[in-house]
Amino acid sequence: AQRVTQPEKLLSVFKGAPVELKCNYSYSGSPELFWYVQYSRQRLQLLLRHISRESIKGFTADLNKGETSFHLKKPFAQEEDSAMYYCALSPGGSARQLTFGSGTQLTVLP
Amino acid sequence: EAQVTQNPRYLITVTGKKLTVTCSQNMNHEYMSWYRQDPGLGLRQIYYSMNVEVTDKGDVPEGYKVSRKEKRNFPLILESPSPNQTSLYFCASSSSTEAFFGQGTRLTVV
Repeated sequence: AQRVTQPEKLLSVFKGAPVELKCNYSYSGSPELFWYVQYSRQRLQLLLRHISRESIKGFTADLNKGETSFHLKKPFAQEEDSAMYYCALSPGGSARQLTFGSGTQLTVLP
Repeated sequence: EAQVTQNPRYLITVTGKKLTVTCSQNMNHEYMSWYRQDPGLGLRQIYYSMNVEVTDKGDVPEGYKVSRKEKRNFPLILESPSPNQTSLYFCASSSSTEAFFGQGTRLTVV
């Protein structure tokens, strides 16, 4: 069975500082990896998926199959980045059957 | 506008009183699912449906039922709610590339 681990429940950084949210996964095949974000009192929304190789709101994530990681990075954090971030895995290569990590609450301090 | 609509947004009920949380999508997706979100545990899948009349258990199905009589609707049924079902519930509707989430239903069982 697949598993997603986000080791940090809480992460605080100052505005303008780099930020990295960690995500590790276990799955025997080739998974599809996603990052979802939930701003305060809003629904979850897709931030990025690894196969599209996009940079959304300045965030990037690289899939490292050797380390089974999909860390989310941004070089200069903004206060509006404060939110709950979830890493998710889909074994089927689509956006269905998602397994989520426990989430990391990011707070960007002024 | 593409959306997933859940009702109600908030619900307080008593142990054992049957309730239904509705979910509707307007994107003609075949795949729909229900998750519960609990602090420190992230999102866990309750049930999913790959098409009309096709449903299956997720990771935490105990105490829940679902039905999929038409493509756009996927209600979650708690026949005899218990306090351990107090949680935040999300419905999702998925294409092959993205899962779209409802606004959430905060359920309290007393």
